[in-house]
Amino acid sequence: DGGITQSPKYLFRKEGQNVTLSCEQNLNHDAMYWYRQDPGQGLRLIYYSQIVNDFQKGDIAEGYSVSREKKESFPLTVTSAQKNPTAFYLCASSIFGQDNQPQHFGDGTRLSIL
Amino acid sequence: ILNVEQSPQSLHVQEGDSTNFTCSFPSSNFYALHWYRWETAKSPEALFVMTLNGDEKKKGRISATLNTKEGYSYLYIKGSQPEDSATYLCASPSDTGRRALTFGSGTRLQVQP
Repeated sequence: DGGITQSPKYLFRKEGQNVTLSCEQNLNHDAMYWYRQDPGQGLRLIYYSQIVNDFQKGDIAEGYSVSREKKESFPLTVTSAQKNPTAFYLCASSIFGQDNQPQHFGDGTRLSIL
Repeated sequence: ILNVEQSPQSLHVQEGDSTNFTCSFPSSNFYALHWYRWETAKSPEALFVMTLNGDEKKKGRISATLNTKEGYSYLYIKGSQPEDSATYLCASPSDTGRRALTFGSGTRLQVQP
């Protein structure tokens, strides 16, 4: 079955450490997205990529970095510059350029600070 | 940043009740309106994507309507069941045309058996 796989499910970060969240999809989607959820808030866009080797900042990109070297993969690095990284992170993908197509989501990664 | 708002924030109903909630969004530069259901410990699941003013979509006991001129969409659940308990999210692509979604904060529905 096609889908999106995020790993790990839970992640702990020490002070000053960079950590990378994995997102892989086998839906053949061009577009991929990273969202962050904090308690009581909606999903906020961190980064998105509409095509391989290209990505754009979302609304809360500071302290994060991404790469898109392969169509299937869109890893997110939470850097030490992100001062409040504790949150739930969701990755999504979609067919690019069609407004009537939904996004497909992974199961998420919960990141906590040690 | 596009402003997408949902109300109410949470809702408790009894099994068998019908319920509805609202999503409001800017009516200018409208592209589409998405509804997702997010159950605890699962990933968000797409319910509907609506693009035309006056659109009505239905999936089982759940239906949605869209008014792009006034900037709102309603989601209705007829005869709520405990398995309908979830957070319902609406979202719309940004008016910058980037196609990434801006989400509302969700309506959390609890259906008591």
